[in-house]
Amino acid sequence: LAKTTQPISMDSYEGQEVNITCSHNNIATNDYITWYQQFPSQGPRFIIQGYKTKVTNEVASLFIPADRKSSTLSLPRVSLSDTAVYYCLVGDRAPGGKLIFGQGTELSVKP
Amino acid sequence: DADVTQTPRNRITKTGKRIMLECSQTKGHDRMYWYRQDPGLGLRLIYYSFDVKDINKGEISDGYSVSRQAQAKFSLSLESAIPNQTALYFCATSDVRQANTGELFFGEGSRLTVL
Repeated sequence: LAKTTQPISMDSYEGQEVNITCSHNNIATNDYITWYQQFPSQGPRFIIQGYKTKVTNEVASLFIPADRKSSTLSLPRVSLSDTAVYYCLVGDRAPGGKLIFGQGTELSVKP
Repeated sequence: DADVTQTPRNRITKTGKRIMLECSQTKGHDRMYWYRQDPGLGLRLIYYSFDVKDINKGEISDGYSVSRQAQAKFSLSLESAIPNQTALYFCATSDVRQANTGELFFGEGSRLTVL
């Protein structure tokens, strides 16, 4: 299983763009990159998933370089409600049971 | 009503007691999971089940057992609870047919304290 490394914490201010980078040097050919968001005392919530290049949805963008050894979650114009822990996961998307959550990145958005 | 429901939401118990955490889902998903969360450690997978007859150990299954009573129900048991099992426990589901993402859907969590 690919191990992921991401910053433990980040600070930002309302209205800024936030980029959280995740390293996954041992990513396998079949692995996808998935990001989850977790608010205090709630279960994680799926944000976005990608395999290569760029993926965008209504919540975020995911940038994946050609070598796929890292990925960057981009949150445009964050608000206070984006304060949460963000997890980067790498693995087969189908089995699900092999998705391993790391420590995540605690994002704090300040006014 | 929540699609993935966990009971109890909070439980305080004593060392050596048997505890069962229950999870039920109305999403019709085949796959169900139990995770525990400890401060600073993210979520760790305890057990997972791909269907009623399929149970698999996760990263940290020692001290836990599970039962998949039906497609919609997956319970986690601590036969003899110990203080280091104090944690926030999450049940999750995923749909084998949702091949696009394998997205996990989580319950609201069960906070267990073992004294």
